[in-house]
Amino acid sequence: EDQVTQSPEALRLQEGESSSLNCSYTVSGLRGLFWYRQDPGKGPEFLFTLYSAGEEKEKERLKATLTKKESFLHITAPKPEDSATYLCAVRRDPGSEKLVFGKGTKLTVNP
Amino acid sequence: DAGVIQSPRHEVTEMGQEVTLRCKPISGHNSLFWYRQTMMRGLELLIYFNNNVPIDDSGMPEDRFSAKMPNASFSTLKIQPSEPRDSAVYFCASSPGGNTDTQYFGPGTRLTVL
Repeated sequence: EDQVTQSPEALRLQEGESSSLNCSYTVSGLRGLFWYRQDPGKGPEFLFTLYSAGEEKEKERLKATLTKKESFLHITAPKPEDSATYLCAVRRDPGSEKLVFGKGTKLTVNP
Repeated sequence: DAGVIQSPRHEVTEMGQEVTLRCKPISGHNSLFWYRQTMMRGLELLIYFNNNVPIDDSGMPEDRFSAKMPNASFSTLKIQPSEPRDSAVYFCASSPGGNTDTQYFGPGTRLTVL
């Protein structure tokens, strides 16, 4: 069965303290790895899609990378407004749009 | 664009009652998804439609749950009868389909079954 594991479950950083979130997956035939951000009381907000090992994407202070077994979301010099839960999800079947989500990493950035 | 619209935003009901959740996808999107989010199980896909046709309902927990998409701009998720273990946040998402597979989520409906 497809499995998506995110670590750590929770992370506290000081403003400006860079770090990385991990998403490891066991999927045969990955067709896409997705990162979302979720604020309390809101729906997940799309950040990135990665399709092949070695691919990288950036948006402001966030950079997502992908290997054959895991993805990292690097946060450089975070600000308090980066506090949120970050979810990753994988898509396996080329004929299916089904996504399997990890349970997320709750990030808190203190000023 | 208004994004995905869900109603109601909050629903409190008693065990045994029928609950209907509603979703309006982004205009022009071909696929619609219903998810459930709980602390224990995270975000799980219940069912998804493509061009109004149910494609994968393997995540629907049991016969008490049913979903319909009568047209491209409206979908419902119904629970009858509801049970306390159905308490969760239910999200609807839509995607353009084709080569663009990004899913855009609505704000969710928080369901509490007493």
